[in-house]
Amino acid sequence: GQNIDQPTEMTATEGAIVQINCTYQTSGFNGLFWYQQHAGEAPTFLSYNVLDGLEEKGRFSSFLSRSKGYSYLLLKELQMKDSASYLCAVNNAGNMLTFGGGTRLMVKP
Amino acid sequence: GAVVSQHPSRVICKSGTSVKIECRSLDFQATTMFWYRQFPKQSLMLMATSNEGSKATYEQGVEKDKFLINHASLTLSTLTVTSAHPEDSSFYICSAREYSGELFFGEGSRLTVL
Repeated sequence: GQNIDQPTEMTATEGAIVQINCTYQTSGFNGLFWYQQHAGEAPTFLSYNVLDGLEEKGRFSSFLSRSKGYSYLLLKELQMKDSASYLCAVNNAGNMLTFGGGTRLMVKP
Repeated sequence: GAVVSQHPSRVICKSGTSVKIECRSLDFQATTMFWYRQFPKQSLMLMATSNEGSKATYEQGVEKDKFLINHASLTLSTLTVTSAHPEDSSFYICSAREYSGELFFGEGSRLTVL
């Protein structure tokens, strides 16, 4: 079966760094995605990891360890507009994308 | 980047009526499109996978006779919610996979059934 876990909520301060973790157990693995979703809007793509290691893209970085079934999304220099839900999603062997429950991040001044 | 257009963005209908939601890939051909449903404060739940020219594959627990999916061309998939009931009120989102494998989401459609 598919199981993707991430914290439900997190709070951080503007200007700080926050790390959102995601652990997964899926039938096969063909890449892990992170999406950002503001309330009432569709998800927007942040990152894609298929190999182990860190992918950096501006203020956002994503890390993957396939052997541990673990990923994290790192957000630096937090801004108020970063308040949103962050969805971890795993592409399984059949190219089916399964989403975690999402982490609601609240950035405070 | 690639664009996926979803229409309508909001729809209100009476209980018992049917509603059609369209999902179009505007600048690429999508052999596979996905339909998701999202209830408030929850994550996206995959409803079905739509492949051009063939029948959709539905996830367990999703009634295929209630949620009709048609993928008539490489740029268009439609979801029809038949005989809608208030419990069908939700945010429906489509996504389309480009040949490179990247996935693009539509803007979502908020359905309210009175």
